Amino acid sequence: EVRLAQSGAEVKKSGESLRISCKASGYNFVNHWIGWVRQVPGQGLEYMGIIYPGDSDTNYSPSFQGQVTISADKSSNTAYLQWTTLKASDTAIYYCARIHGLGNMSFDTWGQGTLVSVFS
Amino acid sequence: QFVLTQPPSASGTPGQRVTISCSSNNSDIGGHYIEWYQQVPGAAPKLLIYRNTQRPSGVPGRFSGSKSGTSSSLAISGLRSEDEADYYCSEWDESLKSVVFGGGTKLTVL
Repeated sequence: EVRLAQSGAEVKKSGESLRISCKASGYNFVNHWIGWVRQVPGQGLEYMGIIYPGDSDTNYSPSFQGQVTISADKSSNTAYLQWTTLKASDTAIYYCARIHGLGNMSFDTWGQGTLVSVFS
Repeated sequence: QFVLTQPPSASGTPGQRVTISCSSNNSDIGGHYIEWYQQVPGAAPKLLIYRNTQRPSGVPGRFSGSKSGTSSSLAISGLRSEDEADYYCSEWDESLKSVVFGGGTKLTVL
């Protein structure tokens, strides 16, 4: 079974750093793009960026370029989303999701989400 | 980057057929595909339709997708209370290697 298991909820202070994770299982991790999607409570889905774990090729949405870093560790089948300086406006649920591939660019599997709460 | 426009809300009664639209301003529509996701309150999104009309394994046949030019639709027939959710369309932008989501449509089952 294809599965993405995300790390637990985080409560942080503005200015702190943070890395959340997304551990993949049930498929060949290096062969599928993985994306990150933000959802501010009560609002819609926002695409942040994607990474291809096979060669760490990464693309960011212009809205998130320079604000976060997406990375992947092939040895542990884990993708990461990282902030160096959190802001209160980063408070949201963050989802990782796998892109199916082979011409099908849908997010076919989603993690359960990680709630990040940032207070001033 | 292009924009996908959805109505903010839709509603129907049990058993009815409901459609949700998604309009793209991407004139270079070509072979671009639309995906649809369902997000039940408190849960992660779930893929409902991919490549305009295809249903992943496990998605009931009550859900169907269609596309004509820059307009796409998600149709739900035999509406059920458990269909009450937010629905999002999305499109892959090959030039930016990026995904665009519509604003989402909140479906209420009356």
